[in-house]
Amino acid sequence: GNSVTQMEGPVTLSEEAFLTINCTYTATGYPSLFWYVQYPGEGLQLLLKATKADDKGSNKGFEATYRKETTSFHLEKGSVQVSDSAVYFCALKANTGFQKLVFGTGTRLLVSP
Amino acid sequence: DAGVTQSPTHLIKTRGQQVTLRCSPKSGHDTVSWYQQALGQGPQFIFQYYEEEERQRGNFPDRFSGHQFPNYSSELNVNALLLGDSALYLCASSLGQGPGEQYFGPGTRLTVT
Repeated sequence: GNSVTQMEGPVTLSEEAFLTINCTYTATGYPSLFWYVQYPGEGLQLLLKATKADDKGSNKGFEATYRKETTSFHLEKGSVQVSDSAVYFCALKANTGFQKLVFGTGTRLLVSP
Repeated sequence: DAGVTQSPTHLIKTRGQQVTLRCSPKSGHDTVSWYQQALGQGPQFIFQYYEEEERQRGNFPDRFSGHQFPNYSSELNVNALLLGDSALYLCASSLGQGPGEQYFGPGTRLTVT
């Protein structure tokens, strides 16, 4: 079945450092890919998405590129802020058949001043 | 434009009891999905409701049931609660059964003692 694998956290960075959170997936066909963010005590917010190969999703300085050849969707940000501290979830949704979201286990990001 | 709302925010129940969680979808959305997020894990799909019917179901026992009302709001019911049912329950709404985005509510934190 479809699955998502994320790098384990926590990822600890200083403010203004470069961020990469790795995400790889297994899926039949060509799923849509998503990054969601969860701040402490809150639900999930969609951060960015990509619906086909080579698409780049971007939002709030975060970017991720849909790489079909490596089945990856790594999240990057050039300069993190303390306010980016949260848990980040990579997810996929099949574009055929039933379209539930399949999530990774999440990666906690801690940014210190 | 009201987003997805869920009630209650927190709930404490005893093993063996029954619980009902509620969700109102984002304005204009007609599909509601429920997810269970255990501590430190990614959300797991429970089921989805569309046109007042359960359309798809994840790997959850029959103790988990739901309902969707004509105004598209939804309930999640869990019978015979187990300690392992303690989790954050997330509701997500979307439009139709297509590949559109799912918008998440803040969740209901259920603690079973």
